[in-house]
Amino acid sequence: DTEVTQTPKHLVMGMTNKKSLKCEQHMGHRAMYWYKQKAKKPPELMFVYSYEKLSINESVPSRFSPECPNSSLLNLHLHALQPEDSALYLCASSQDAGREGYTFGSGTRLTVV
Amino acid sequence: SQQGEEDPQALSIQEGENATMNCSYKTSINNLQWYRQNSGRGLVHLILIRSNEREKHSGRLRVTLDTSKKSSSLLITASRAADTASYFCAPSYGNKLVFGAGTILRVKS
Repeated sequence: DTEVTQTPKHLVMGMTNKKSLKCEQHMGHRAMYWYKQKAKKPPELMFVYSYEKLSINESVPSRFSPECPNSSLLNLHLHALQPEDSALYLCASSQDAGREGYTFGSGTRLTVV
Repeated sequence: SQQGEEDPQALSIQEGENATMNCSYKTSINNLQWYRQNSGRGLVHLILIRSNEREKHSGRLRVTLDTSKKSSSLLITASRAADTASYFCAPSYGNKLVFGAGTILRVKS
């Protein structure tokens, strides 16, 4: 298995909702990442997990809460989001943080209404 | 900012021509990676060049790295319509990969 699987592919949520994005990989990678991408912009790093521990939080607002239940799974819990949080959320994994190529999932397109 | 800067922002060429994209970065890196993205979906890793390497090839791709100038280039030879996509350079700083603004490549058939 050489894929990163993200669910759901599309999500529409209200500003008072709580939802979660899920990411799964079975390549034995020990680093996993969340990126946010707005239209016509490059992906922006949000979080880095290395060996299931949060190693980087790029000053992301607390309404985004990451969780790494095990080495194969990465979640992003969303609460009280704003319309400007609408974006494509990309999950990626790699063998080692920053030292090898990343495998990206196809993303979750989030719309906050 | 650690973000790489790329030029050109957009490039339009005929099928069969070569395409060159350039990337500059600001501080020391572990490696530099190039990615392709189609239609705003997931990114595909193309090639990684380490800081002690100067040139690397993969199929029709050739990447160079000049650490003294803090710059890299990606050459796609004999382009095809299927190469139409956005291309991003991504310098790696420790355990952070930071994406440049990207080059939109359009290959006309």
